[in-house]
Amino acid sequence: DVKVTQSSRYLVKRTGEKVFLECVQDMDHENMFWYRQDPGLGLRLIYFSYDVKMKEKGDIPEGYSVSREKKERFSLILESASTNQTSMYLCASSLNFGGLSGANVLTFGAGSRLTVL
Amino acid sequence: QKEVEQDPGPLSVPEGAIVSLNCTYSNSAFQYFMWYRQYSRKGPELLMYTYSSGNKEDGRFTAQVDKSSKYISLFIRDSQPSDSATYLCAIGGGADGLTFGKGTHLIIQP
Repeated sequence: DVKVTQSSRYLVKRTGEKVFLECVQDMDHENMFWYRQDPGLGLRLIYFSYDVKMKEKGDIPEGYSVSREKKERFSLILESASTNQTSMYLCASSLNFGGLSGANVLTFGAGSRLTVL
Repeated sequence: QKEVEQDPGPLSVPEGAIVSLNCTYSNSAFQYFMWYRQYSRKGPELLMYTYSSGNKEDGRFTAQVDKSSKYISLFIRDSQPSDSATYLCAIGGGADGLTFGKGTHLIIQP
């Protein structure tokens, strides 16, 4: 089974801090994604990557950046955390059906719950 | 338009009942239909995947797609307390990625 591992399950940070969320997948998947999940808003795509060093904005990229230096690792960075970034962050990966193809089946990590005070 | 509509619930049913979960969508270009299950404090996991109209069965679960009505359903037979979770529909087509419903919170009462 594909495993997607998010290193931090729970984080508490202060406003203005720089935050790194790390994600590693072990099945050689081409595509990796970062979503945030909020009550009443569902899952929203922040960024995705279809190859090493490649990144594309999703629906809500403002306030976030990403890094993909190795195929198995995709990092989400909050340059200056704000309280409205308190959320559950979910990383996912998928085989390559053209990057953002709707045919892609996503395998999710367990999530990182971030609280910004 | 990418919108997918899903009733958030909660939906509470007694153990053994048949459960029906539903989503509607507006974009006729959508052609891939998935259901994910998410337990509390976990990530979503794929439950069912289909790309055609009609029914697909897997054990106690049946996914149904009606493209003419833009309506998809997930049926759970002989529901168990372990089925208590949030169920997310996910619909996609072309290169616009997946659009997720907001999820239905299901509670199976023992």
